Amino acid sequence: AQKVTQTQTSISVMEKTTVTMDCVYETQDSSYFLFWYKQTASGEIVFLIRQDSYKKENATVGHYSLNFQKPKSSIGLIITATQIEDSAVYFCAMREGWASSSFSKLVFGQGTSLSVVP
Amino acid sequence: EAAVTQSPRSKVAVTGGKVTLSCHQTNNHDYMYWYRQDTGHGLRLIHYSYVADSTEKGDIPDGYKASRPSQENFSLILELASLSQTAVYFCASSDDWGGAQTLYFGSGTRLTVL
Repeated sequence: AQKVTQTQTSISVMEKTTVTMDCVYETQDSSYFLFWYKQTASGEIVFLIRQDSYKKENATVGHYSLNFQKPKSSIGLIITATQIEDSAVYFCAMREGWASSSFSKLVFGQGTSLSVVP
Repeated sequence: EAAVTQSPRSKVAVTGGKVTLSCHQTNNHDYMYWYRQDTGHGLRLIHYSYVADSTEKGDIPDGYKASRPSQENFSLILELASLSQTAVYFCASSDDWGGAQTLYFGSGTRLTVL
């Protein structure tokens, strides 16, 4: 069964610095999709960035980028030039490919709370 | 912009009572999901659906039923609410792109069972 683990419960960083949040996953499938979502203080959950398992290049969107290490089953989220408004809870998630019997399911990690301080 | 609306925003229920959480999406998405959020557990999938009149069990379906009467609507039903079901519930919808699709979440329903 697929599983996603985020071991960092909370992180605090200074504004304008770079932070990396870790995520490891387990899957038997050769094709899968990895996602990062952000939950703001208001509770809103929004999609940030996606990595497809068959792509070697790391995905980048704005000041978010991924560190995809397939042999280690690891997908880290990197936020550069952090801003106060980046303070939120970040969830890693995985969905197996269409060939999997559970491909409709998006499984989330426990989340990492990021605090960006001035 | 995708729109997923949940109702109510919050609810207090009594143990043993019946609770229905509603979700409505205007995105024309095939897939809809119910997740539960508890501190320290992230988001856990309760039920999901990829077509009207059909629902599938997620990872923690016990104590919950789901209903998808139309493409737009997806309900979560607690027939006999229990204290352990106190949590925040999120509904989400997505398109079917073979796995790469992203989820659009509602604002959540905070359920307190007393």
